[in-house]
Amino acid sequence: QKEVEQDPGPLSVPEGAIVSLNCTYSNSAFQYFMWYRQYSRKGPELLMYTYSSGNKEDGRFTAQVDKSSKYISLFIRDSQPSDSATYLCAMSYSGGYQKVTFGTGTKLQVIP
Amino acid sequence: GAVVSQHPSWVICKSGTSVKIECRSLDFQATTMFWYRQFPKQSLMLMATSNEGSKATYEQGVEKDKFLINHASLTLSTLTVTSAHPEDSSFYICSAREELAGGRPSYNEQFFGPGTRLTVL
Repeated sequence: QKEVEQDPGPLSVPEGAIVSLNCTYSNSAFQYFMWYRQYSRKGPELLMYTYSSGNKEDGRFTAQVDKSSKYISLFIRDSQPSDSATYLCAMSYSGGYQKVTFGTGTKLQVIP
Repeated sequence: GAVVSQHPSWVICKSGTSVKIECRSLDFQATTMFWYRQFPKQSLMLMATSNEGSKATYEQGVEKDKFLINHASLTLSTLTVTSAHPEDSSFYICSAREELAGGRPSYNEQFFGPGTRLTVL
């Protein structure tokens, strides 16, 4: 079983739709939860991070973490064609050594 | 945000040759840099953690003699793929973690480079 599971998609939605991206994980020691966006042939860029459980909102993006269920989500409101990319969830332990474990990424296409 | 660059952005080489990839943090000091490999439709797989002034720590299954890592300064780490073979063809991405004043790293943020696509013929 992989430490982090993420549906690879692809996921196609019309412009303006609400997008829900999810990951599950098996290691209860993870404390930091991140979402990265990666455009084709580019390196990932950090969108949001959350420490422990809870919600975090940044503009059109909302990240949710449910540690009891080992489940994290990223919601994108009013999706735009420019949101088309691969979204990777990532997580790590707390502490000084912060190796990050990534999901496989979900490819999102927002259709105009 | 902090900027990490990689050079070259792509490289094609013949089987058996060695290829060096550079990773630079442009506007911050990075005590720790990470090297990842990404195959098509797969996740980033951590290959090694590079610490300035000391030996790199390799993940299980990664050949340290094949993937040589040097972290010579707080802004530069290099990955050399020695005697490259077609199965080494991949997208190599580095990341750097900013070292804040007082020696305490930022919570977890790693800044990623744009990646280097290696094709071995």
